Amino acid sequence: NAGVTQTPKFRILKIGQSMTLQCAQDMNHNYMYWYRQDPGMGLKLIYYSVGAGITDKGEVPNGYNVSRSTTEDFPLRLELAAPSQTSVYFCASSHNRGRDYEQYFGPGTRLTVT
Amino acid sequence: AQKVTQAQTEISVVEKEDVTLDCVYETRDTTYYLFWYKQPPSGELVFLIRRNSFDEQNEISGRYSWNFQKSTSSFNFTITASQVVDSAVYFCALRGVTGGGNKLTFGTGTQLKVEL
Repeated sequence: NAGVTQTPKFRILKIGQSMTLQCAQDMNHNYMYWYRQDPGMGLKLIYYSVGAGITDKGEVPNGYNVSRSTTEDFPLRLELAAPSQTSVYFCASSHNRGRDYEQYFGPGTRLTVT
Repeated sequence: AQKVTQAQTEISVVEKEDVTLDCVYETRDTTYYLFWYKQPPSGELVFLIRRNSFDEQNEISGRYSWNFQKSTSSFNFTITASQVVDSAVYFCALRGVTGGGNKLTFGTGTQLKVEL
């Protein structure tokens, strides 16, 4: 299993540009998440999904959009990039049954908006 | 609302010293789960342990041990005989059962530096 994969690893955007951060998992997990991590801070939840076709806002959703058309993929869209979106973005996934509630994280995408 | 506090921003120790990382949490849920994750300099997040609110037994795994005390809402993490490879940021996290989605609330992390 590859686990949770994210692309790209690094990206520099100009203000106002748009991009999609890709996330995929091959563990057949129902739940998927997007977090951002700012320097010296913990992770903040942007959006999450409990299954294909179902998404919901987390703590910091403004400026982002998501979709979940398949169990495996959960892309995060930035429509009009702003410097405040400079951060490291982590995708994660988890089961929702039994005791297997750990979230498994991807390697992260480091995004800089200038 | 849920909250996780890691008051220690940064800790520096010399190799072979023992070190304890503190974690204090707040939740109104009677059932909840606590986690520790490690983030080494390479940046990935590595799951270390999960503890549920019904299980206050302390856990030991090699040089790592965890002390869960509901009376003080704390879930502290101790590394015995620290090594340079333990240098990382350590995050404590909390998941309640209300609200759905298995959402985690993270603390701000403790940067541990282990020097020779």
